[in-house]
Amino acid sequence: AQSVTQLGSHVSVSEGALVLLRCNYSSSVPPYLFWYVQYPNQGLQLLLKYTSAATLVKGINGFEAEFKKSETSFHLTKPSAHMSDAAEYFCAATPSGTYKYIFGTGTRLKVLA
Amino acid sequence: DADVTQTPRNRITKTGKRIMLECSQTKGHDRMYWYRQDPGLGLRLIYYSFDVKDINKGEISDGYSVSRQAQAKFSLSLESAIPNQTALYFCATSDPGRNTGELFFGEGSRLTVL
Repeated sequence: AQSVTQLGSHVSVSEGALVLLRCNYSSSVPPYLFWYVQYPNQGLQLLLKYTSAATLVKGINGFEAEFKKSETSFHLTKPSAHMSDAAEYFCAATPSGTYKYIFGTGTRLKVLA
Repeated sequence: DADVTQTPRNRITKTGKRIMLECSQTKGHDRMYWYRQDPGLGLRLIYYSFDVKDINKGEISDGYSVSRQAQAKFSLSLESAIPNQTALYFCATSDPGRNTGELFFGEGSRLTVL
């Protein structure tokens, strides 16, 4: 069965430091991949998505992610963390042409002043 | 106004009570979903619907039922609420014309069952 694994349920970084949130998927066929962000008391909103075009995907708020088939990874990065980036981040996958969106368990990002 | 609206946003109820969570959308999407979020477990799919006549169980449908009253409305019911149904519930939509399309979420309904 396909799964999505996010390493680290909590990540803390200093303001201005690199943000790296890890996501690995298990599938014999690379799925479509997404990163969502959830701010307190809000729903999830899309940060970026990979749909088999460019392997380096740029999203909103300065985030980007790189699809690496050999590593079955889709890690999320941002060069310089901002206090406003503090939120919970979810990686999700959906096999091509299906309805089924599979979510990771989430990573809560804390940004330290 | 939000494209995907959930009501109520917060609800406290007692064990055994019937609860309905409602979702309406203005995005014109045919596909609608109900997810449950629990700390450390991510989002798990309860039910999904591809159109008014098509409703399907997700991975955790026991104890829940749904109704798709119209293309824009998808309700989730707990016939007899129990404490382990305390969670944050999300409605979402997607565009079937785009298989790579993302989910669009409501702001969530926080349910507490005492």
